[in-house]
Amino acid sequence: KAGVTQTPRYLIKTRGQQVTLSCSPISGHRSVSWYQQTPGQGLQFLFEYFSETQRNKGNFPGRFSGRQFSNSRSEMNVSTLELGDSALYLCASSRRSSGRPYNEQFFGPGTRLTVL
Amino acid sequence: AQTVTQSQPEMSVQEAETVTLSCTYDTSENNYYLFWYKQPPSRQMILVIRQEAYKQQNATENRFSVNFQKAAKSFSLKISDSQLGDTAMYFCAFMKHEGGATNKLIFGTGTLLAVQP
Repeated sequence: KAGVTQTPRYLIKTRGQQVTLSCSPISGHRSVSWYQQTPGQGLQFLFEYFSETQRNKGNFPGRFSGRQFSNSRSEMNVSTLELGDSALYLCASSRRSSGRPYNEQFFGPGTRLTVL
Repeated sequence: AQTVTQSQPEMSVQEAETVTLSCTYDTSENNYYLFWYKQPPSRQMILVIRQEAYKQQNATENRFSVNFQKAAKSFSLKISDSQLGDTAMYFCAFMKHEGGATNKLIFGTGTLLAVQP
């Protein structure tokens, strides 16, 4: 079974540009969560999508947005990039089945974004 | 708001020895999950162990076990028979239980563990 895949793995952008990152969950998983990892702020939750709907959102400005497609693939977009957006962006997928108390989240390898 | 604190930025242990990583958390919730994740140099985040707050029995997974003290809001990870492959950053994480898992993990700042040969 293929794991969570993220594309691209590395990305270099300049301030003011926008960027789109992609996450393909494990087959059968319908929930995708996004996290930002930086040396200064650590790991922070961005948002979660389930069945094409945003279910949870972290404390990030509106420049950070996301969406989920009918095949559960998810994209996140960052507009008007700032130097502080340089980070490793991780996504995680899970089944999130209704009625089950817990479904393990499986993480992808991440996308390393560098903003110059 | 929930917070997770890991007070040991770095730790070192000899191969085959035992090491304990500390984690404390703050929450007013009664139902939640606690986790330890491992992030090796490859940056792939891997679940090490999980604990449900309603379970009094400490979770164990092979060489990994936890000491969960709900009243003290403490959740430490013990690694027995340390191996070189255990070298990684270890994150303690919290997740609320709201009629089911929320899938929103709140992470601590991490402990960098180095296993020495």
